[in-house]
Amino acid sequence: DGGITQSPKYLFRKEGQNVTLSCEQNLNHDAMYWYRQDPGQGLRLIYYSQIVNDFQKGDIAEGYSVSREKKESFPLTVTSAQKNPTAFYLCASSIDHNGNQPQHFGDGTRLSIL
Amino acid sequence: KQEVTQIPAALSVPEGENLVLNCSFTDSAIYNLQWFRQDPGKGLTSLLLIQSSQREQTSGRLNASLDKSSGRSTLYIAASQPGDSATYLCAVDGWEAAGNKLTFGGGTRVLVKP
Repeated sequence: DGGITQSPKYLFRKEGQNVTLSCEQNLNHDAMYWYRQDPGQGLRLIYYSQIVNDFQKGDIAEGYSVSREKKESFPLTVTSAQKNPTAFYLCASSIDHNGNQPQHFGDGTRLSIL
Repeated sequence: KQEVTQIPAALSVPEGENLVLNCSFTDSAIYNLQWFRQDPGKGLTSLLLIQSSQREQTSGRLNASLDKSSGRSTLYIAASQPGDSATYLCAVDGWEAAGNKLTFGGGTRVLVKP
């Protein structure tokens, strides 16, 4: 079945450590997105990519980095510069970056500090 | 900057009652408005997408209306069932060169009691 796979489901980070969250899609979508969700709040956009080898900062990009070397993959690295990384991270994709296309979401990765 | 608000934050109704969920946004220059459902610990499922030129969209027991001039959208769920218990989020796609960038509300957590 087509869909978006995020891994791992749970992740723990030590002080000063970088961690990478995986997002893979087999929907043949051009656009991919990373969101952060804090308890009881909506989603905030971290980074998005409209096409392979291109990505743009969202509203809260500081302390995060991404790459888009393949159409189906959009990994997110939470760096040690992100001082409050504990959150639920959601990856999404859409057919393209033009509007009026619903976004499809993975099941998320919950990141906690050790 | 676009701000999206959902009131109430939580709602509890007996089974069979109709649900009315509200979403308001501050900037009426939107490309579309989307409603999502989120189950605990899961990603988002797209429910309805209303383009800026449309006044409403319907899918089964769900109906969403859009009044751009007043910055409001309402999601109606008819004859609620316990399986409708979830958090419902609305999001607006602002009119920007890079489309499909969503701004989310904080969500309404719904409990339908049998």
